[in-house]
Amino acid sequence: RKEVEQDPGPFNVPEGATVAFNCTYSNSASQSFFWYRQDCRKEPKLLMSVYSSGNEDGRFTAQLNRASQYISLLIRDSKLSDSATYLCVVNSDAGNMLTFGGGTRLMVKP
Amino acid sequence: GAGVSQSPSNKVTEKGKDVELRCDPISGHTALYWYRQSLGQGLEFLIYFQGNSAPDKSGLPSDRFSAERTGGSVSTLTIQRTQQEDSAVYLCASSLARMNEQFFGPGTRLTVL
Repeated sequence: RKEVEQDPGPFNVPEGATVAFNCTYSNSASQSFFWYRQDCRKEPKLLMSVYSSGNEDGRFTAQLNRASQYISLLIRDSKLSDSATYLCVVNSDAGNMLTFGGGTRLMVKP
Repeated sequence: GAGVSQSPSNKVTEKGKDVELRCDPISGHTALYWYRQSLGQGLEFLIYFQGNSAPDKSGLPSDRFSAERTGGSVSTLTIQRTQQEDSAVYLCASSLARMNEQFFGPGTRLTVL
């Protein structure tokens, strides 16, 4: 089993739609969780941290489900500019560093 | 403040040549990472430095790859006897501590002819 797994997509959604991605992880002791965004031919950039109680930043909501070992990202009212690859990040199995998932590609269409 | 910087931004080399890629992390960040990303693929972890500890080299794909971090700041990734399959974008990231969010540089695009 991979340490961090994501559906690669692509998720094709119309503008204004709500879309959600999940990311499963194998280290049950993970304490650090993040979502990053990567635009085509650019470096990854931090989108938001994921807190135990869940957190929201504008149209973006991140949640953590420890029992089932996954984190989720919900995007409401999708914009064309949301088109990107979304990477989840959690603790590695060894617990000594953070590990990136392979990313989920989102394409928002007019 | 200044972010992570990398140089060169692009490097074209011939098969068999050695290359050096440089990373200047954010000042005060103790952790530094190198990743490789081929077109359309995810991030491939290469090596990780944390403070003065021995680096985690578990991601280096072969002994042609090496990296060092001098004075706990600048890092250099060296690829010896480059092969065409080494062509990729090499990304460097730094973080305040090992479990904090990572900040990425713009990457070095390496093309081996």
